[in-house]
Amino acid sequence: AQSVTQLDSQVPVFEEAPVELRCNYSSSVSVYLFWYVQYPNQGLQLLLKYLSGSTLVESINGFEAEFNKSQTSFHLRKPSVHISDTAEYFCAVSEDSGGSNYKLTFGKGTLLTVNP
Amino acid sequence: DADVTQTPRNRITKTGKRIMLECSQTKGHDRMYWYRQDPGLGLQLIYYSFDVKDINKGEISDGYSVSRQAQAKFSLSLESAIPNQTALYFCATSPPPYNEQFFGPGTRLTVL
Repeated sequence: AQSVTQLDSQVPVFEEAPVELRCNYSSSVSVYLFWYVQYPNQGLQLLLKYLSGSTLVESINGFEAEFNKSQTSFHLRKPSVHISDTAEYFCAVSEDSGGSNYKLTFGKGTLLTVNP
Repeated sequence: DADVTQTPRNRITKTGKRIMLECSQTKGHDRMYWYRQDPGLGLQLIYYSFDVKDINKGEISDGYSVSRQAQAKFSLSLESAIPNQTALYFCATSPPPYNEQFFGPGTRLTVL
């Protein structure tokens, strides 16, 4: 069965500092990987995804994540954060099991707080 | 324009009341899901539906029921609400090849 571990429940950083939010997964088959973001008092938005192809994926607001199959990781990074990046970030995995794949498993979330 | 809508967005109810949360989508996706989010626990799957006649229990279905009235509508019911069902509830949809899901804005439910 697939599982996701987000290694940090809270990450406080100062504005303009780099940040890495860590995510490891466990699965016996190929996977699809996602990062979702939830801003305060808002719903869940897809930040970026890895389905196939290049292992480095980028979002429009400067985040990137790299799929590392050997380390079963999909860490999220940003070289310089802004106050507006303050949010909870969820890593999620879906197994590639043909037409029957259906289950999206979420990590418990990492609260990123960007301080001035 | 929102592709997945949820109503109501916020609801406060009392223990023992029956309540229905509704989800509608405009994309024609055949698969739909209901999740609940609790602080520190991430999202947990309550029910999912592959089509109108195919409904399945998720990880935490006890105390909940669902109805897929049409391809575009998937409702979640709490027959007799209890305080530990206080949570944020999300609906999601998925198109072929079913390797990603699209979420609604959520319904914040408080059971007193």
